[in-house]
Amino acid sequence: GAVVSQHPSRVICKSGTSVKIECRSLDFQATTMFWYRQFPKQSLMLMATSNEGSKATYEQGVEKDKFLINHASLTLSTLTVTSAHPEDSSFYICSAREVQRASTDTQYFGPGTRLTVL
Amino acid sequence: QKEVEQNSGPLSVPEGAIASLNCTYSDRGSQSFFWYRQYSGKSPELIMFIYSNGDKEDGRFTAQLNKASQYVSLLIRDSQPSDSATYLCAGGGGGNKLTFGTGTQLKVEL
Repeated sequence: GAVVSQHPSRVICKSGTSVKIECRSLDFQATTMFWYRQFPKQSLMLMATSNEGSKATYEQGVEKDKFLINHASLTLSTLTVTSAHPEDSSFYICSAREVQRASTDTQYFGPGTRLTVL
Repeated sequence: QKEVEQNSGPLSVPEGAIASLNCTYSDRGSQSFFWYRQYSGKSPELIMFIYSNGDKEDGRFTAQLNKASQYVSLLIRDSQPSDSATYLCAGGGGGNKLTFGTGTQLKVEL
């Protein structure tokens, strides 16, 4: 149980285009989903916390107009990188927390999306 | 500022030995602690979590929590080359976001 999927797993795009990444909880409902970014050989960086039906909470230094997050249902959150630039190239990973276990903090991670902006 | 500290390593252990990974945290309000394993180029995978003081065992893994000392550890018995990865310690509490350490790289040598 507690499986989280991400799509696409890998994307290459041209500078200036927008890229949408989907995160789905496959066998549980997620009250909260998180979006992380990880550069090579660096630690996880939390970008934003996404709650179903409400606006995402962004971490300091993360541009909310550049990284659009939508959490439309208890099983789906999307991250759209708008007007992507080469410096946005990174490994984007989502995680989800179960509704039934809302009192706990266990996060289950998706497999990640590797974004390369040319 | 909530912090979780880990030694970056690498920690090298011979195959079959016990690997001991350590983590300290600054927020006394943290209630739950997690160990994730991350292979190079992959996303983190949950190994186990612990809420109460003491030890919690799951197969070859034992998590230890000492809230008085603000210390969490992960022991891996009979280490295998496949255990070579980066191990992330995380702390949380009250349904909030987790605070991750920077991870310890473990190398299990043949």
